[in-house]
Amino acid sequence: DAKTTQPTSMDCAEGRAANLPCNHSTISGNEYVYWYRQIHSQGPQYIIHGLKNNETNEMASLIITEDRKSSTLILPHATLRDTAVYYCIVRVDGGKLIFGQGTELSVKP
Amino acid sequence: GAGVSQSPRYKVAKRGQDVALRCDPISGHVSLFWYQQALGQGPEFLTYFQNEAQLDKSGLPSDRFFAERPEGSVSTLKIQRTQQEDSAVYLCASSPPGQHNYGSYNEQFFGPGTRLTVL
Repeated sequence: DAKTTQPTSMDCAEGRAANLPCNHSTISGNEYVYWYRQIHSQGPQYIIHGLKNNETNEMASLIITEDRKSSTLILPHATLRDTAVYYCIVRVDGGKLIFGQGTELSVKP
Repeated sequence: GAGVSQSPRYKVAKRGQDVALRCDPISGHVSLFWYQQALGQGPEFLTYFQNEAQLDKSGLPSDRFFAERPEGSVSTLKIQRTQQEDSAVYLCASSPPGQHNYGSYNEQFFGPGTRLTVL
């Protein structure tokens, strides 16, 4: 079973920041939080991952709360091409990814 | 460089037929994963290889599903006597070397998937 909960859908205006929340209240101390996204008819694409500290790369920023029970993915300047399903995943033993339902993000002009 | 490729991209099978789905991982990637994605759902783990060894097949839904990676590169997912509930997108992902032990936290690179429709 997925160990994360996310809103089903969100809208964002083009050029604005998209903030996607995720709850993972049962996360264990050594489990990482990963974010992937899936654009229609494509395979999932890795975005970012973190353990305790906030992380930033060329695609996004990941903010993890101090108690690690929740996190937020931030797309600083959303574009129409960011429209996709975003999955928050707690990495389980063995490396396999346990996907939930994800958040369908619609970026609107 | 080339990413993960899968073939065929689309497959239509009559119920009861056997199908074989192919995955070509990124060259040099040690780990290979198969996932099944039903319509409107997130992908679900099927099985995992490290080189030619199948280390986890806990997600395979029945003994009609079989996966192999005999030379540690290309992998084939075979489904025997297909049923309508097997209709889904089958995704393959590979992961680069680095932390090769089971539990590697390297990112997974996904292929475009094979859409299987069983009539």
